Amino acid sequence: GQQVMQIPQYQHVQEGEDFTTYCNSSTTLSNIQWYKQRPGGHPVFLIQLVKSGEVKKQKRLTFQFGEAKKNSSLHITATQTTDVGTYFCGRDQTGANNLFFGTGTRLTVIP
Amino acid sequence: EAQVTQNPRYLITVTGKKLTVTCSQNMNHEYMSWYRQDPGLGLRQIYYSMNVEVTDKGDVPEGYKVSRKEKRNFPLILESPSPNQTSLYFCASSLYAAGAYEQYFGPGTRLTVT
Repeated sequence: GQQVMQIPQYQHVQEGEDFTTYCNSSTTLSNIQWYKQRPGGHPVFLIQLVKSGEVKKQKRLTFQFGEAKKNSSLHITATQTTDVGTYFCGRDQTGANNLFFGTGTRLTVIP
Repeated sequence: EAQVTQNPRYLITVTGKKLTVTCSQNMNHEYMSWYRQDPGLGLRQIYYSMNVEVTDKGDVPEGYKVSRKEKRNFPLILESPSPNQTSLYFCASSLYAAGAYEQYFGPGTRLTVT
C-alpha cells in the first residue's frame, strides 16, 4: 500500500565502518525524503530526491533514488559517533502533505 | 529563530480526560501535520492541514481531532484519551519545495494515558 519498507531495523557498526540503509516500495514513488532523529530528539530533514536515478551527497552521506523510483538508499562512509541515531525515509502522497514513513533504521556506532 | 513549538512537552493523564496539545510555527508555512511515534511502528501521520480551515485525515486519525483556525497554530485534541494513545507526538510544519513536502518537526510531546 502506502507504506515504505525500510531495512535493516537495527545496525551496529564499528566507528570508521560504512553503513547503508534501504527504503523499498512496491509502487512508484513521486519522491523520497530522508530524516535523522538523534536519541531523545526529533526528526530532522536531511534531503529529498525526486528524479529517477538521482544521487546526492552531503559530506560523508550519499543518497540514491532508484531508476524505477521504487527504492532509495542512504550510505554513510566512515561512520563517526555523531552519526548515531535513527534514519527514516518518507514519501508523500502526490499533491498533498500526506506523508508515510518507513519504520526507520537505528544506527549504533561503537567507538 | 525559525521553529515549531509544542506544549506541553510531557503529560501524564487519565483515561477519558480531554486534553489539547498545542503546536505553533513561526515560519509562515501553509502546511502542518501531527504524527505519533511508537516503537517498531515508526512515524505515523494522524492529521494534516493544507491551509487554514483545511484539514485531512492521515494514517491513524481515530480518537483525535484537530483545528486550523489560523496559519501558525495547529492544536491536537484528544476528546477522551485511552491508554493506546500513550505515545510520543510530533507536530510538523511543511515547506513545499522542488516537488516534495519537507517536514520541520517540533520537539515532541510525550503523552502517557493511565
